[in-house]
Parts: sequence; structure tokens; C-alpha cells
Amino acid sequence: GAGVSQSPRYKVTKRGQDVALRCDPISGHVSLYWYRQALGQGPEFLTYFNYEAQQDKSGLPNDRFSAERPEGSISTLTIQRTEQRDSAMYRCASRRGRGDYNEQFFGPGTRLTVL
Amino acid sequence: AQRVTQPEKLLSVFKGAPVELKCNYSYSGSPELFWYVQYSRQRLQLLLRHISRESIKGFTADLNKGETSFHLKKPFAQEEDSAMYYCALSGQGSGYQKVTFGTGTKLQVIP
Repeated sequence: GAGVSQSPRYKVTKRGQDVALRCDPISGHVSLYWYRQALGQGPEFLTYFNYEAQQDKSGLPNDRFSAERPEGSISTLTIQRTEQRDSAMYRCASRRGRGDYNEQFFGPGTRLTVL
Repeated sequence: AQRVTQPEKLLSVFKGAPVELKCNYSYSGSPELFWYVQYSRQRLQLLLRHISRESIKGFTADLNKGETSFHLKKPFAQEEDSAMYYCALSGQGSGYQKVTFGTGTKLQVIP
């Protein structure tokens, strides 16, 4: 089937605006992850879900960042009152479930630019 | 805390030369280690994981718990190996799923 998809692929916004980034995981995958990747850096963990439950949000940098996965499938990462330092590639990944040694399948990413 | 260190941002080798991409980690329990690769204009994808002890595209990596290392090796580099390589770590067991990535090493294979 189709892989992980993310939308939009590119987002340019002005400082102070809210943005919502969407992730559509592989159908049936239990776990969903969000990462942020700055230029020249590796993916930085933000949060992850098992089904609809947010299991770990320790990587969210501050309370402007939030994520949800209300029906255990599609997830939205929301950044409120964006700042220039939020500019980065935001990556989503999904994982089938327990027992498959943590292999994650990544989406193409959303490139966010805050002016 | 878990940490992954990739000391080289860029590694350039000639085609046919051996390749070693370094990865060191810090983790208090039993880790699972992975190598992910991103080819130009493609998605990040899993290359190999230590627990399966496999060779993928000629690459191997051995977990050395004494040195806390998981270096990626290939005896003869090919041009198509040029890509970004990320080492990653997770705790063992299905109950702990946070994955920490290193900063990545760009491998450039010179024809």
C-alpha cells in the first residue's frame, strides 16, 4: 500500500501565525512519531502515539507545540504563534506495532519556513 | 539520557575503498541500534539494525558494548552509496519506543 504521507510538503508562514502539519501513516500502523530536523542535524524526537494515546511528549520544545491523533490514524502537529526558530523539516514516521524491532517508516517531511 | 554521536559530518572516499562510518552511543540499559540512510531526494529509510545481524547492500555493523560503538562498514564503496547516514538508538523491548538519532554523516564516494 501507500507509504506515510505528509501535508503540506512546504509551508511558508509569517511569525505569529499558527500552523497545522498533517501526517497520514501507513494503514494499520499502531505507532506514529513526530520529529523535527534542523539543517545539518539529525531528526530530533518530538512526540509519539500508540493508537490515539500520546505516550511521550517529552520532546515538544514548549507549550506552543501540540499533537493529536484522535482516531488512532491521522495525526496533526500544531505550532501556535510561530517563531523564526521553528523553521525546520518536520518528519513523521509510523511503525507497525510491537515485536518488529522498532523499524519506522518515514514520510517525505514538511519543510516549514517562518518569516 | 540517551545520546548518539557521529563525529564525522562528511566522509569522502574513493570508489572501491573501504568505508567506516563511526557511531558511539550513551545509554544506561540495553540498547537497540540502527542505521538509517537518506539518498538524494528520497525518504529516510532503515538500512540495518544490530539485532538482525544482517548485511544490507554490503554494509555491516557490529554492536560493541564495551566501546559503546556501532560503526557501519563496507569493504568496497560504490558510487550509489553516496548518501546521508544516521545512527539511531532505542531502548530494548516493546515498552520503550523513543528513538534518538545522531547528527548524521554524509558519505561521498568519488568515482
